[in-house]
Amino acid sequence: DAGVIQSPRHEVTEMGQEVTLRCKPISGHDYLFWYRQTMMRGLELLIYFNNNVPIDDSGMPEDRFSAKMPNASFSTLKIQPSEPRDSAVYFCASSTSAGTGETYEQYFGPGTRLTVT
Amino acid sequence: AQTVTQSQPEMSVQEAETVTLSCTYDTSESDYYLFWYKQPPSRQMILVIRQEAYKQQNATENRFSVNFQKAAKSFSLKISDSQLGDAAMYFCAYEETSGSRLTFGEGTQLTVNP
Repeated sequence: DAGVIQSPRHEVTEMGQEVTLRCKPISGHDYLFWYRQTMMRGLELLIYFNNNVPIDDSGMPEDRFSAKMPNASFSTLKIQPSEPRDSAVYFCASSTSAGTGETYEQYFGPGTRLTVT
Repeated sequence: AQTVTQSQPEMSVQEAETVTLSCTYDTSESDYYLFWYKQPPSRQMILVIRQEAYKQQNATENRFSVNFQKAAKSFSLKISDSQLGDAAMYFCAYEETSGSRLTFGEGTQLTVNP
């Protein structure tokens, strides 16, 4: 298995520009998570999906952030417009409940380092 | 809300020695999961070990073991025979059984000295 795939690995953009981060979860996993890591706030959950449906988006900072999961093998996190304080490493993770209703360990992608100047 | 606290921002250990990283958490739940993740300089988050709260037996994975004290809400990680490749940031994390959100601690930076 290729693991969780994220693209791009690095993104540098100017303030005000739109940024789209992409994630392909592990095949067969029915949960997908977006986390953000910063020095100030550590690792924090932004949003997660179950079977392509958003379950909890309470961690999304503001309306500039949006996430979609159009199918079981693809998700995007979009920031529009971007600001310097959005600079962080964004991780995507996936897991499976294997039909039990309880989730198993989350497997993380390599992350996208976003720099907004 | 659940909180996870790692009180040791930095730790160091000599190669081949044993080190213990501390973690405490706060929850009102009786069933939950606890994890230790490792983040090397590559920034990849790697699962080290997992513990189910309903299991009394401490989890073990090769050189890694935990000391899970449910009443004290403590979940420490012991690394035996430390290797240079163990150098990384280690995160303790909590997950409710009924939900899927991982709550992370602040992390402990482990240095392994040759």
